[in-house]
Amino acid sequence: NAGVTQTPKFRILKIGQSMTLQCTQDMNHNYMYWYRQDPGMGLKLIYYSVGAGITDKGEVPNGYNVSRSTTEDFPLRLELAAPSQTSVYFCASTDSYNSPLHFGNGTRLTVT
Amino acid sequence: QKEVEQNSGPLSVPEGAIASLNCTYSDRGSQSFFWYRQYSGKSPELIMSIYSNGDKEDGRFTAQLNKASQYVSLLIRDSQPSDSATYLCAVLKAAGNKLTFGGGTRVLVKP
Repeated sequence: NAGVTQTPKFRILKIGQSMTLQCTQDMNHNYMYWYRQDPGMGLKLIYYSVGAGITDKGEVPNGYNVSRSTTEDFPLRLELAAPSQTSVYFCASTDSYNSPLHFGNGTRLTVT
Repeated sequence: QKEVEQNSGPLSVPEGAIASLNCTYSDRGSQSFFWYRQYSGKSPELIMSIYSNGDKEDGRFTAQLNKASQYVSLLIRDSQPSDSATYLCAVLKAAGNKLTFGGGTRVLVKP
């Protein structure tokens, strides 16, 4: 099992550009999450999904969009990138709402 | 008041000593609690989950939960240099499916 796979690992964007961060899991987990982590800080929830076709906002959703068309995939879309979106982005999944999260390796994004 | 609070540290402990980390949370109805370890530049990895009041031990790690006082702690016994990392406390609130993380405590174990 690959677990949770995130691509790309690194990306540099110019202000105003858009991109999609990919996340896929092969554990048949219903619950998937996107977090961002700024330097020296904890993780802040951007969006989450409890199953295919169902998504909801987290703590810091502004500037992001998600979709969940399949159980495996949960892409995060950045529209009109801003320097404030410079961060490390983690995707995570779990089989039950109160079970531990399985994290991907993260995507380090810089917006200049 | 932050939903989940941790002392940012660094917490410096000599090798072989006990490291004690604390975490407080604001939602009295919170039901599930997790400790994650995160090495620099890596993703968080689960150390311990705890769901009921009391102590839970796993190897050199002990998690302690006190729901009445709204805190959860992590003890690391016989600390090793490899334990040097940031430890993240995460709390699942009573309502919803959202896991909230504290800011993390950086631990430095000195040989």
